[in-house]
Amino acid sequence: DAGVIQSPRHEVTEMGQEVTLRCKPISGHNSLFWYRQTMMRGLELLIYFNNNVPIDDSGMPEDRFSAKMPNASFSTLKIQPSEPRDSAVYFCASSERGGRDWSNQPQHFGDGTRLSIL
Amino acid sequence: GENVEQHPSTLSVQEGDSAVIKCTYSDSASNYFPWYKQELGKRPQLIIDIRSNVGEKKDQRIAVTLNKTAKHFSLHITETQPEDSAVYFCAASNFNKFYFGSGTKLNVKP
Repeated sequence: DAGVIQSPRHEVTEMGQEVTLRCKPISGHNSLFWYRQTMMRGLELLIYFNNNVPIDDSGMPEDRFSAKMPNASFSTLKIQPSEPRDSAVYFCASSERGGRDWSNQPQHFGDGTRLSIL
Repeated sequence: GENVEQHPSTLSVQEGDSAVIKCTYSDSASNYFPWYKQELGKRPQLIIDIRSNVGEKKDQRIAVTLNKTAKHFSLHITETQPEDSAVYFCAASNFNKFYFGSGTKLNVKP
Protein backbone atom coordinates (compact mmCIF):
# COMPACT_ATOMS: atom_id res chain seq x y z
CA ASP A 1 0.00 0.00 0.00
CA ALA A 2 1.37 3.41 -0.96
CA GLY A 3 -0.08 5.14 2.07
CA VAL A 4 -1.60 8.60 2.07
CA ILE A 5 -0.08 10.69 -0.72
CA GLN A 6 0.14 14.46 -0.49
CA SER A 7 1.35 17.01 -2.98
CA PRO A 8 3.23 19.21 -3.19
CA ARG A 9 5.72 18.41 -0.42
CA HIS A 10 6.83 22.03 -0.25
CA GLU A 11 5.15 25.20 -1.42
CA VAL A 12 6.54 28.71 -1.24
CA THR A 13 4.41 31.53 -2.52
CA GLU A 14 3.69 35.19 -1.99
CA MET A 15 0.84 36.43 0.10
CA GLY A 16 -2.37 36.95 -1.80
CA GLN A 17 -1.79 33.97 -4.06
CA GLU A 18 -4.09 30.95 -4.19
CA VAL A 19 -2.67 27.75 -2.75
CA THR A 20 -4.04 24.28 -3.45
CA LEU A 21 -2.93 21.25 -1.47
CA ARG A 22 -3.78 17.76 -2.66
CA CYS A 23 -4.34 14.44 -0.96
CA LYS A 24 -4.95 10.87 -2.06
CA PRO A 25 -6.15 8.69 0.83
CA ILE A 26 -5.35 5.02 1.30
CA SER A 27 -7.52 2.93 -0.98
CA GLY A 28 -10.55 1.62 0.87
CA HIS A 29 -10.44 4.27 3.59
CA ASN A 30 -13.65 6.25 3.76
CA SER A 31 -12.70 8.98 6.23
CA LEU A 32 -10.30 11.80 5.36
CA PHE A 33 -8.91 14.47 7.64
CA TRP A 34 -6.99 17.71 7.05
CA TYR A 35 -4.73 18.96 9.86
CA ARG A 36 -2.50 21.97 10.30
CA GLN A 37 0.62 21.77 12.47
CA THR A 38 2.46 24.76 13.91
CA MET A 39 4.80 25.18 16.85
CA MET A 40 2.36 27.50 18.58
CA ARG A 41 -0.89 25.56 18.10
CA GLY A 42 0.27 21.99 17.60
CA LEU A 43 -1.88 19.64 15.51
CA GLU A 44 -5.24 21.18 14.68
CA LEU A 45 -8.04 19.40 12.86
CA LEU A 46 -9.35 21.64 10.09
CA ILE A 47 -12.02 19.49 8.49
CA TYR A 48 -12.97 15.90 8.00
CA PHE A 49 -14.95 13.97 5.43
CA ASN A 50 -16.77 10.69 5.60
CA ASN A 51 -17.72 9.00 2.33
CA ASN A 52 -16.72 12.22 0.53
CA VAL A 53 -19.15 14.34 2.58
CA PRO A 54 -17.80 17.06 4.93
CA ILE A 55 -18.82 16.09 8.46
CA ASP A 56 -17.13 18.71 10.61
CA ASP A 57 -15.48 21.89 9.35
CA SER A 58 -15.48 23.72 12.66
CA GLY A 59 -11.68 23.88 12.60
CA MET A 60 -11.45 25.77 9.32
CA PRO A 61 -9.97 29.10 10.39
CA GLU A 62 -11.92 31.39 8.10
CA ASP A 63 -13.60 31.75 4.74
CA ARG A 64 -10.25 31.89 2.97
CA PHE A 65 -9.98 28.15 3.56
CA SER A 66 -12.06 25.63 1.64
CA ALA A 67 -11.86 21.88 1.14
CA LYS A 68 -13.43 19.48 -1.30
CA MET A 69 -13.55 15.76 -1.82
CA PRO A 70 -15.00 15.13 -5.29
CA ASN A 71 -14.42 11.37 -5.09
CA ALA A 72 -13.14 8.68 -2.75
CA SER A 73 -9.57 8.97 -3.92
CA PHE A 74 -8.93 12.70 -3.97
CA SER A 75 -9.27 15.77 -1.79
CA THR A 76 -8.06 19.37 -1.98
CA LEU A 77 -7.51 22.07 0.58
CA LYS A 78 -7.48 25.56 -0.88
CA ILE A 79 -6.41 28.85 0.63
CA GLN A 80 -7.41 32.01 -1.21
CA PRO A 81 -6.01 34.55 -0.65
CA SER A 82 -3.05 33.21 1.33
CA GLU A 83 -1.47 35.15 4.22
CA PRO A 84 1.89 34.75 6.03
CA ARG A 85 0.11 33.39 9.12
CA ASP A 86 -1.05 30.42 7.05
CA SER A 87 2.53 29.17 6.97
CA ALA A 88 2.52 25.71 8.52
CA VAL A 89 2.76 22.01 7.73
CA TYR A 90 -0.54 20.68 6.44
CA PHE A 91 -1.21 16.98 6.92
CA CYS A 92 -3.84 14.81 5.36
CA ALA A 93 -4.85 11.58 7.11
CA SER A 94 -7.26 8.80 6.30
CA SER A 95 -8.94 5.99 8.19
CA GLU A 96 -11.55 3.36 7.86
CA ARG A 97 -14.78 4.31 9.48
CA GLY A 98 -15.71 1.72 12.04
CA GLY A 99 -19.35 0.90 11.76
CA ARG A 100 -22.63 2.57 12.58
CA ASP A 101 -21.55 3.51 16.08
CA TRP A 102 -18.72 5.63 14.67
CA SER A 103 -16.21 3.49 16.52
CA ASN A 104 -12.83 5.02 16.10
CA GLN A 105 -10.13 3.73 13.83
CA PRO A 106 -6.44 4.64 13.55
CA GLN A 107 -5.64 7.56 11.31
CA HIS A 108 -2.76 7.22 8.86
CA PHE A 109 -0.94 10.42 7.98
CA GLY A 110 0.64 11.55 4.74
CA ASP A 111 4.08 13.15 4.62
CA GLY A 112 2.59 16.64 4.75
CA THR A 113 2.94 19.84 2.74
CA ARG A 114 5.26 22.45 4.18
CA LEU A 115 3.70 25.77 3.20
CA SER A 116 5.53 29.07 3.39
CA ILE A 117 3.72 32.29 2.58
CA LEU A 118 6.08 35.22 2.08
CA GLY B 1 -15.57 19.78 23.41
CA GLU B 2 -12.70 17.51 24.40
CA ASN B 3 -9.53 18.94 26.01
CA VAL B 4 -6.37 16.84 26.12
CA GLU B 5 -3.42 17.86 28.26
CA GLN B 6 -0.03 16.19 27.90
CA HIS B 7 2.96 16.22 30.25
CA PRO B 8 5.85 16.71 30.29
CA SER B 9 6.55 18.90 27.27
CA THR B 10 10.17 17.72 27.21
CA LEU B 11 11.76 14.60 28.65
CA SER B 12 15.39 13.65 28.67
CA VAL B 13 16.48 10.14 29.70
CA GLN B 14 19.61 8.06 29.56
CA GLU B 15 19.68 5.19 27.09
CA GLY B 16 18.29 2.08 28.76
CA ASP B 17 16.11 3.99 31.20
CA SER B 18 12.31 4.08 31.06
CA ALA B 19 10.23 7.04 29.87
CA VAL B 20 6.66 7.85 30.88
CA ILE B 21 4.39 10.39 29.20
CA LYS B 22 1.02 11.25 30.70
CA CYS B 23 -2.19 12.63 29.23
CA THR B 24 -5.51 13.65 30.69
CA TYR B 25 -8.78 14.19 28.88
CA SER B 26 -12.04 15.87 29.80
CA ASP B 27 -14.83 14.19 27.83
CA SER B 28 -16.00 10.92 29.36
CA ALA B 29 -17.46 9.97 25.96
CA SER B 30 -13.96 9.58 24.49
CA ASN B 31 -13.36 5.91 23.86
CA TYR B 32 -10.21 5.58 21.78
CA PHE B 33 -6.71 6.72 22.69
CA PRO B 34 -3.91 6.49 20.11
CA TRP B 35 -0.28 7.50 20.52
CA TYR B 36 1.77 8.88 17.65
CA LYS B 37 5.51 9.31 17.22
CA GLN B 38 6.79 12.11 15.01
CA GLU B 39 10.43 12.37 14.03
CA LEU B 40 11.79 15.70 12.91
CA GLY B 41 10.40 16.65 9.50
CA LYS B 42 8.37 13.46 9.22
CA ARG B 43 4.71 12.50 9.53
CA PRO B 44 3.09 11.36 12.77
CA GLN B 45 3.08 7.56 12.93
CA LEU B 46 0.81 5.45 15.10
CA ILE B 47 2.80 3.43 17.61
CA ILE B 48 0.12 2.03 19.89
CA ASP B 49 -3.53 2.60 20.75
CA ILE B 50 -6.01 1.53 23.39
CA ARG B 51 -9.78 1.42 23.55
CA SER B 52 -11.87 2.30 26.56
CA ASN B 53 -12.81 -1.29 27.33
CA VAL B 54 -9.17 -2.17 28.02
CA GLY B 55 -6.98 -1.01 30.90
CA GLU B 56 -3.55 -1.81 29.51
CA LYS B 57 -1.92 -2.80 26.25
CA LYS B 58 1.66 -3.74 25.52
CA ASP B 59 3.72 -4.07 22.36
CA GLN B 60 7.34 -5.06 22.97
CA ARG B 61 9.00 -2.08 24.72
CA ILE B 62 5.92 0.12 24.55
CA ALA B 63 2.87 -0.02 26.80
CA VAL B 64 -0.15 2.18 27.34
CA THR B 65 -2.37 2.30 30.42
CA LEU B 66 -5.82 3.84 30.71
CA ASN B 67 -7.72 4.94 33.81
CA LYS B 68 -11.23 5.82 32.69
CA THR B 69 -12.36 6.90 36.12
CA ALA B 70 -9.57 9.44 36.45
CA LYS B 71 -9.62 10.23 32.72
CA HIS B 72 -5.94 9.75 32.19
CA PHE B 73 -3.73 7.53 30.08
CA SER B 74 -0.01 7.06 29.87
CA LEU B 75 2.67 5.85 27.48
CA HIS B 76 5.51 3.79 28.89
CA ILE B 77 8.69 3.10 26.96
CA THR B 78 11.17 0.71 28.54
CA GLU B 79 14.85 0.16 27.68
CA THR B 80 14.91 3.39 25.69
CA GLN B 81 17.19 3.67 22.69
CA PRO B 82 18.50 6.74 20.82
CA GLU B 83 16.10 6.00 17.96
CA ASP B 84 13.20 6.54 20.37
CA SER B 85 14.10 10.25 20.33
CA ALA B 86 11.14 12.07 18.76
CA VAL B 87 8.01 14.02 19.63
CA TYR B 88 5.18 11.88 20.99
CA PHE B 89 1.53 12.91 20.78
CA CYS B 90 -1.40 11.44 22.62
CA ALA B 91 -4.96 11.81 21.39
CA ALA B 92 -8.45 11.18 22.67
CA SER B 93 -11.21 10.38 20.24
CA ASN B 94 -14.93 9.97 20.01
CA PHE B 95 -17.11 9.90 16.93
CA ASN B 96 -13.97 9.51 14.82
CA LYS B 97 -12.63 12.96 15.74
CA PHE B 98 -9.15 13.10 17.29
CA TYR B 99 -8.12 15.69 19.86
CA PHE B 100 -4.34 15.79 20.17
CA GLY B 101 -2.18 16.69 23.12
CA SER B 102 0.52 19.32 22.71
CA GLY B 103 3.32 16.78 22.37
CA THR B 104 6.32 15.58 24.40
CA LYS B 105 9.81 15.91 23.01
CA LEU B 106 11.74 12.84 24.16
CA ASN B 107 15.51 12.91 24.04
CA VAL B 108 17.35 9.65 24.70
CA LYS B 109 20.99 10.30 25.48
CA PRO B 110 23.45 7.58 24.42
